[in-house]
This record gives sequence, C-alpha cells and structure tokens, in this order.
Amino acid sequence: DAGVIQSPRHEVTEMGQEVTLRCKPISGHDYLFWYRQTMMRGLELLIYFNNNVPIDDSGMPEDRFSAKMPNASFSTLKIQPSEPRDSAVYFCASTEDSKTYEQYFGPGTRLTVT
Amino acid sequence: QKEVEQNSGPLSVPEGAIASLNCTYSDRGSQSFFWYRQYSGKSPELIMFIYSNGDKEDGRFTAQLNKASQYVSLLIRDSQPSDSATYLCAVGGYSSASKIIFGSGTRLSIRP
Repeated sequence: DAGVIQSPRHEVTEMGQEVTLRCKPISGHDYLFWYRQTMMRGLELLIYFNNNVPIDDSGMPEDRFSAKMPNASFSTLKIQPSEPRDSAVYFCASTEDSKTYEQYFGPGTRLTVT
Repeated sequence: QKEVEQNSGPLSVPEGAIASLNCTYSDRGSQSFFWYRQYSGKSPELIMFIYSNGDKEDGRFTAQLNKASQYVSLLIRDSQPSDSATYLCAVGGYSSASKIIFGSGTRLSIRP
C-alpha cells in the first residue's frame, strides 16, 4: 500500500486566499484525522471522521476552517480566508477500527501564509 | 494544565546508554498510551503502545505505565545515533472512537 497520501506537500499563499489541502487515507481504514503541528502548540487534532462522517470537530480553530470527506478515499481541509497564523504543517492520518488503532500519518503539507 | 506533559529537552544521551523519556497525563479515564517518534521534517511514526499497568518490551524499547501516578515512560536501551528524534507521548480513551491527545514532545539527541 502507498500509505496515506497528502497533497500538496508545500503550499505558499497570500493572506486572504483560499487554501485546500487533500488527503487519501490507506484503503480499508475507517478513521481519518486532520492534525496541525506548530512549534508553539505541538500536534493538535482538528477533526476526525469515521466512515466519512465527522465525529469530532471541536479542534477546528474557527469558521474559516472546514473539512469534508465525500467518500472513503478522499478528504479535504479548506481554509478560507487564510491568515499568517495558519502557517503550520498539516498532517492527515488514518486507522482501521481495530484494537490497536495505530494511526498512520501522511507526509504532511507545509503551509506558509504570507 | 496541559492534558499531556513532557519535558521538551533536549535530552542528550551517550551512544550505548539508556535513554529515559517521561510523560504525565491529566485525564484519569485514559486507557491507551502511545509513543511516537518524529524525525525532523518527517511525520510521526508509532513505535510503542501500552494499555495495561507495567512494562511492555519491544526490542530495544520498553514502555512503562503507572495509571495510579498517571505516568508513562519510554526506555531506549543501547541508544544509537539513529534514535535522535523528537518523541511524542500520546494518550487516548477506551476505543478507536476516542481522541488521542499528543504531548509537545521531547527532543532526544544521542551523542557518538
């Protein structure tokens, strides 16, 4: 399996622009997670899905952030409008509904908002 | 108080020695405990998980859990330069439907 796939790997955008991050989970995994990592705040869970349904979005910073999972093999995280404080590495992770529920992380998207 | 606390380091350990990484957590209802390793510029990678009090060994790694003290540790025996990374402690609930909360990580440096 190719693992969790994220695109783009790097994104540089100007403040106020819309940003869309994409994730393809490992085939057969029931859970998908979006995280954000910064030096100041560490690794924070933004939202997670089970069988394409959002379960907990309490980590989403504000209304500028939205996430969707239209099918089992694709999810997006959208920021509109983007702000410099959104600069971070955004990770997507997936896991299957098993006892160990090991989360497999994608390579991340490094977002820079100028 | 943070939910999962770790000393940020850096922790410097000579090659071949034992590295000891510690983590405390605030939620007494936590049931699952994880250690992730993250190399600079890379994504986190699970290296150990533990659910029950006591020790769990896997190769050079030993995870220790003490629920009464709300304390988790990771021991790395015969430390190698390739163990130099940031180690993230993570704590979760009783099922895969539960959130996993990550600590801010401890940076470990193994000096040759």
